[in-house]
Amino acid sequence: RKEVEQDPGPFNVPEGATVAFNCTYSNSASQSFFWYRQDCRKEPKLLMSVYSSGNEDGRFTAQLNRASQYISLLIRDSKLSDSATYLCVVNLNFGNEKLTFGTGTRLTIIP
Amino acid sequence: GAVVSQHPSWVICKSGTSVKIECRSLDFQATTMFWYRQFPKQSLMLMATSNEGSKATYEQGVEKDKFLINHASLTLSTLTVTSAHPEDSSFYICSAQSWEGGPNYGYTFGSGTRLTVV
Repeated sequence: RKEVEQDPGPFNVPEGATVAFNCTYSNSASQSFFWYRQDCRKEPKLLMSVYSSGNEDGRFTAQLNRASQYISLLIRDSKLSDSATYLCVVNLNFGNEKLTFGTGTRLTIIP
Repeated sequence: GAVVSQHPSWVICKSGTSVKIECRSLDFQATTMFWYRQFPKQSLMLMATSNEGSKATYEQGVEKDKFLINHASLTLSTLTVTSAHPEDSSFYICSAQSWEGGPNYGYTFGSGTRLTVV
């Protein structure tokens, strides 16, 4: 089983729609969770950290379910500029700071 | 915010030659640097973790004699791909830990180097 699993997509969604992605992680000891966004041929950029209580940043909402070991990302009122690959990223523990990346979910917003 | 400058952005080299990739942390000290590789349509795979002044720790399956990492200062880490072959063609990205705040709080990525070996 992969450490971090995501549906690769692609998701083709009309502009203005709401879209959600899930990601599962295998290690229950994982401490930190993030969503990164990666545009084609570019480096990943942090979209948001994911907190246990869930958090929202504008049109983006992230949730963490430790019991089921998954995190989610919800994008409301999607914009053309949201087209990208969304990477689910997990940090195992604070003694080992390396990040483990999911394969990413490709999202295309259609005008 | 913290910035990591990575050079070159892209490089084309002949098979058998060596290529050096540099990552510099600007305005902050990067005690730890991570080196990733990304093949087309795949995710970032960690190759090695380097700590300033000590030997890098390589992930399983990554040849340390082929991918030489030097982290001699707190602001500079280099990855040298020795005797490159076409299968080494990939997107190489560095990431430095930073606690300087800004948009990539915690981990700051370089802009990546696209290596093509012909």
